[in-house]
Amino acid sequence: DGGITQSPKYLFRKEGQNVTLSCEQNLNHDAMYWYRQDPGQGLRLIYYSQIVNDFQKGDIAEGYSVSREKKESFPLTVTSAQKNPTAFYLCATGQGASRRVRETQYFGPGTRLLVL
Amino acid sequence: GDSVTQMEGPVTLSEEAFLTINCTYTATGYPSLFWYVQYPGEGLQLLLKATKADDKGSNKGFEATYRKETTSFHLEKGSVQVSDSAVYFCALSGRNTGNQFYFGTGTSLTVIP
Repeated sequence: DGGITQSPKYLFRKEGQNVTLSCEQNLNHDAMYWYRQDPGQGLRLIYYSQIVNDFQKGDIAEGYSVSREKKESFPLTVTSAQKNPTAFYLCATGQGASRRVRETQYFGPGTRLLVL
Repeated sequence: GDSVTQMEGPVTLSEEAFLTINCTYTATGYPSLFWYVQYPGEGLQLLLKATKADDKGSNKGFEATYRKETTSFHLEKGSVQVSDSAVYFCALSGRNTGNQFYFGTGTSLTVIP
């Protein structure tokens, strides 16, 4: 079954704790993205990766970290430095940047992070 | 910079009514344009897309035409159903954005029987 999986569906964080959100894909896509969605708002880009072992900051990277050790996986860590982490987090994939192809992004089901 | 401006909601329609959700964009060059749909508690699903001027994207009765002269990509459906109730996002991706996406703020649609 091809697609993008995100786990867990709900995640609770205690004050001062780091938590990691999982994103796995079997679409063989090169590019992966993390977005944050707050109620009634659009999506804001946190980090993205166009290729294994490389990633770039998005618009709101502060308080977050990522790694891209495998093509299939792009985990997001929400650190204790992120003071307002409560949001819906969406992972997306794309075939990768190309001067000739404008890619489409495909989204996972999301993880809702709540602070205790 | 590149951006998308979307009609604010919420929008409430009766079943079988005509739907229009406005979307305009600002971009250099020739972006690709997309509509995504998000059902409660879920991720975004691609609804339709258009990659060049005058292209019409269509899916599940929804349509949108890429209008370069008015920099618009309005979403339309002739007869909405209760199951169309969701949040709709307009988005663009372009060469100048490194294929990054820019999303509108979303329009919530509720269809009542």
